[in-house]
Amino acid sequence: GQNIDQPTEMTATEGAIVQINCTYQTSGFNGLFWYQQHAGEAPTFLSYNVLDGLEEKGRFSSFLSRSKGYSYLLLKELQMKDSASYLCAVRNMFSGGYNKLIFGAGTRLAVHP
Amino acid sequence: DSGVTQTPKHLITATGQRVTLRCSPRSGDLSVYWYQQSLDQGLQFLIQYYNGEERAKGNILERFSAQQFPDLHSELNLSSLELGDSALYFCASSPVGREGRRNEQFFGPGTRLTVL
Repeated sequence: GQNIDQPTEMTATEGAIVQINCTYQTSGFNGLFWYQQHAGEAPTFLSYNVLDGLEEKGRFSSFLSRSKGYSYLLLKELQMKDSASYLCAVRNMFSGGYNKLIFGAGTRLAVHP
Repeated sequence: DSGVTQTPKHLITATGQRVTLRCSPRSGDLSVYWYQQSLDQGLQFLIQYYNGEERAKGNILERFSAQQFPDLHSELNLSSLELGDSALYFCASSPVGREGRRNEQFFGPGTRLTVL
């Protein structure tokens, strides 16, 4: 089966750093994605990891350890607009080269002044 | 703007009714995915189509069906609607999957369905 766990809610202060963790159990792993979703809006792509290590992209970084089934999203210099849900999603590749994305329930981040 | 379009944006209907949600993928994307997101819930994968053929099924109810047409747009049909079907329905598209490539899914703005 497949299982993705991430904290339900987190709070942080403007200007600070926050780390959102995600653990997963899956077969046919072929990448892990982080999406940002503001309330009532579409998810938007933030980052992608398929190999172990850290991927940095401006204020956002994402880390993956495949052997531990673990990833985290690091948000630096938090801004009020970063208040949103952050969705961890694992991609499974199956025959024919097609992919299926399974999402975690999301972590709702509230940034306070 | 992701390039994925969905219509209608809002839909209000009554229990027992049938509705059709429409999605046009990004230009060149052959894969279309449908997701349901209920209030304060995560994205639940419903179904995937690739170039007109069904490729994967998730937790899709028998009352729901979908198809992808030759022009690659897709429709999600929801019938015998119940109060619990009220949710945001998202469509996403992606290019052909190749192992190791990012090929992220691009999401449309969603259709908010309210069943009264």
